[in-house]
Amino acid sequence: DTGVSQDPRHKITKRGQNVTFRCDPISEHNRLYWYRQTLGQGPEFLTYFQNEAQLEKSRLLSDRFSAERPKGSFSTLEIQRTEQGDSAMYLCASSSGQGSSGANVLTFGAGSRLTVL
Amino acid sequence: ILNVEQSPQSLHVQEGDSTNFTCSFPSSNFYALHWYRWETAKSPEALFVMTLNGDEKKKGRISATLNTKEGYSYLYIKGSQPEDSATYLCAPHLTSGTYKYIFGTGTRLKVLA
Repeated sequence: DTGVSQDPRHKITKRGQNVTFRCDPISEHNRLYWYRQTLGQGPEFLTYFQNEAQLEKSRLLSDRFSAERPKGSFSTLEIQRTEQGDSAMYLCASSSGQGSSGANVLTFGAGSRLTVL
Repeated sequence: ILNVEQSPQSLHVQEGDSTNFTCSFPSSNFYALHWYRWETAKSPEALFVMTLNGDEKKKGRISATLNTKEGYSYLYIKGSQPEDSATYLCAPHLTSGTYKYIFGTGTRLKVLA
């Protein structure tokens, strides 16, 4: 297992276009998280899944954002009608969610950097 | 809304200096606190998971303490080295039935050689 993979690493798009990011978590991890990070800020929570169920979604997330984890394995994050304010690093993380609290440590991917022109 | 504050926001120290940062969080319903280190162009990596009041964890020159009653944790770096330059993030986990982790804004450390 090579850890958490994210694709693409970089995406440049024009305002109004749709973009989709993919995250492949560590295979035995049942929890998967999406965060957004902008310059000078910590990772901002977007949503998380336990297996295929989306358990929580940030109220800050507009209807243009949607995430799926159809088979409880990989996940996609889609942004529709992108705006310049969507430019950020989108981070995916996974955790096992079993056993001791230490098992809930998040393992992050390298992130997908989005630039909206 | 869970408010997680980290201070200072940024810090420059000389190689060999010792330093410390603070993470403040709501003290009610505490379950665990995570510390992560995020180096430029890399992924955030877990440093410590702390659960008990008075807990102290250590990894090499880095250590952390936890006070759950007053809602803060300190991260210490002894004899800072340039490779310690990174953003240090904390994320509390509260027993609210959710496994959502809210991160602080981080402390950006630059160690000057």
